[in-house]
Amino acid sequence: AQSVTQLDSQVPVFEEAPVELRCNYSSSVSVYLFWYVQYPNQGLQLLLKYLSGSTLVKGINGFEAEFNKSQTSFHLRKPSVHISDTAEYFCAVRRGSTLGRLYFGRGTQLTVWP
Amino acid sequence: ETGVTQTPRHLVMGMTNKKSLKCEQHLGHNAMYWYKQSAKKPLELMFVYSLEERVENNSVPSRFSPECPNSSHLFLHLHTLQPEDSALYLCASSQDGGTGVQDGYTFGSGTRLTVV
Repeated sequence: AQSVTQLDSQVPVFEEAPVELRCNYSSSVSVYLFWYVQYPNQGLQLLLKYLSGSTLVKGINGFEAEFNKSQTSFHLRKPSVHISDTAEYFCAVRRGSTLGRLYFGRGTQLTVWP
Repeated sequence: ETGVTQTPRHLVMGMTNKKSLKCEQHLGHNAMYWYKQSAKKPLELMFVYSLEERVENNSVPSRFSPECPNSSHLFLHLHTLQPEDSALYLCASSQDGGTGVQDGYTFGSGTRLTVV
C-alpha cells in the first residue's frame, strides 16, 4: 500500500506571502499524484494532478506543484496567497494501474492572515 | 445536475433514530465511496463499492449500513448512533479501470451529522 506524509498539520502565513505545503509519499511503483482543497463544510475539490511528463504542474487558483521522483515528494506552492486560500489541503497518491485506490495524507490547514 | 450530490447537507438525530444519507453521481463512474471526516482526525475510508459490489468495509460498526442499488446511487443507513459518530460524511465516486485511474475521486459536499 502507498503512504502519504504531509509534514505540516498547520501552516499560518500572511496575505501576499509565498507558501509551500509539503507532501512525501512512499511507493515502489509508478503513481499518480493529486492535491485537493477543502473549504469549511465542503467536500474535497481537485486542485491539480501529476500523471507524467513535465514535473511542474499548474492547477487552479494559482497553485502549482513539483514532482520530485528522487525525493518522492510532491510539494504544493503558491507565490502569493490570498485570505480566500484559507482551507485544508490534502495530498493523495493513486497507483498507476487498474483499480488503484486513492490514498490521502492527513491534511494541512493553511490559514492566511491579513 | 452534475458531479456528486449528497443529501441532506445537515442532519441532527437522536441516538435512537434511524436515518439515511443519500449520494448520487452523474458522472458515469463505476465506483463509489463513503468517508468519515471527524475534527482533528484524518479522512477515514468506510466503504467502497465497485460495480455495485461492496469491495471494502474498513471495520465499520454495524450501526452503519451501506447500500448501493445501482452505479449512480449510494446510501448510508444509520441507526442507534453514538455522539462520537458526529462528523462530516463524504461521498465520492471514481472510474476504475482504463484511463479512469488518471483521474482522482470526485467528492460531494458532504452531510454534517450531529448525534444528540
